[in-house]
Amino acid sequence: GENVGLHLPTLSVQEGDNSIINCAYSNSASDYFIWYKQESGKGPQFIIDIRSNMDKRQGQRVTVLLNKTVKHLSLQIAATQPGDSAVYFCAEIANDYKLSFGAGTTVTVRA
Amino acid sequence: GAGVSQTPSNKVTEKGKYVELRCDPISGHTALYWYRQSLGQGPEFLIYFQGTGAADDSGLPNDRFFAVRPEGSVSTLKIQRTERGDSAVYLCASSPGTSRFSTQYFGPGTRLTVL
Repeated sequence: GENVGLHLPTLSVQEGDNSIINCAYSNSASDYFIWYKQESGKGPQFIIDIRSNMDKRQGQRVTVLLNKTVKHLSLQIAATQPGDSAVYFCAEIANDYKLSFGAGTTVTVRA
Repeated sequence: GAGVSQTPSNKVTEKGKYVELRCDPISGHTALYWYRQSLGQGPEFLIYFQGTGAADDSGLPNDRFFAVRPEGSVSTLKIQRTERGDSAVYLCASSPGTSRFSTQYFGPGTRLTVL
């Protein structure tokens, strides 16, 4: 399923469907945004990033959208697979090197 | 290639004890970061090294926490007089350059439990 605009702590999606994970940020000085995937017992794994001079960036099966006007970031996963089940974090950097992470969304893929 | 490695993977200690957590960054990466992740939350920044020097230690919670990177590669996070509230997963990350836009690659973390 898709949940546009609203950050939800959990997302359940049918295998093969598209997923949308949302993230709001509050620091208007943030100029670099990253999505990480974290599986149980592992460290965060880089998925895709975007700088503030862009509003869209595509990777393999993933797309990140950035709306600076409303300070909103989203990650779209096409054709969600069981291996996509994990916690997804958005992170931002503002004028320094420190990643500031959001609350995380737990994605569960139903077979 | 080899990723970031951290040892030990798990550490159980008693309140008041001293612990050291080790991080081996990706070979050639000049920047190294420590983060702490409590259960159900995102990682929180602790300290950042560029080379041997701590460029930003503003995230260290108090003076019981200290980190070193003497040769610009391996780093050790040291916690004195551990408290139960220090229990968390300690994550290390490294990145290849000096740019703020260099991707930070994380290790698997060390789960610290203070009894």
